[in-house]
Amino acid sequence: GENVEQHPSTLSVQEGDSAVIKCTYSDSASNYFPWYKQELGKRPQLIIDIRSNVGEKKDQRIAVTLNKTAKHFSLHITETQPEDSAVYFCRDNDMRFGAGTRLTVKP
Amino acid sequence: DTAVSQTPKYLVTQMGNDKSIKCEQNLGHDTMYWYKQDSKKFLKIMFSYNNKELIINETVPNRFSPKSPDKAHLNLHINSLELGDSAVYFCASSQGGTGDTYEQYFGPGTRLTVT
Repeated sequence: GENVEQHPSTLSVQEGDSAVIKCTYSDSASNYFPWYKQELGKRPQLIIDIRSNVGEKKDQRIAVTLNKTAKHFSLHITETQPEDSAVYFCRDNDMRFGAGTRLTVKP
Repeated sequence: DTAVSQTPKYLVTQMGNDKSIKCEQNLGHDTMYWYKQDSKKFLKIMFSYNNKELIINETVPNRFSPKSPDKAHLNLHINSLELGDSAVYFCASSQGGTGDTYEQYFGPGTRLTVT
């Protein structure tokens, strides 16, 4: 079954706004939290990941935060651009993906 | 220098047929996976092999049978195809095994259409 819940399922923002996607996991032993981006017709690709020994990791406009107590981790995209439009997936340690979030950035 | 490759890219077939999808990785990874992505984009894991040994076998009809001749290859054979098998099938690979903390690399996908 689904061990990781992802919200929202769709997200529409104006160019330049921020976008936040959240995943909640169930296995307290999980220690690795990746985020994948899938553009239309393409394969999923890793965009950022975080390990349980840190609470936040940033790479330019993308950041991931981890709250181990609450068992959730979030993807933050700042200054969104139309090319950020895609489906984003989180994944748990058991290789199961969240249901995906379709992000649309309107120019 | 493709890292994870799949063939064919597109597969159109009739109900009841048997078909295979091939996957190869040249990354030297120990673990390979098959995922099914349906029309709603949900990525569901089907199987995982580590060094030719099956380690994840989700609730998948036994018409689906993975085969790993060596750790660089993981093929998917599907018997008696049904309409509901229509989806995009992704192969992936990574270092390590279960409880993996490594990045997965995905193949380009195989779009299977059953008519």
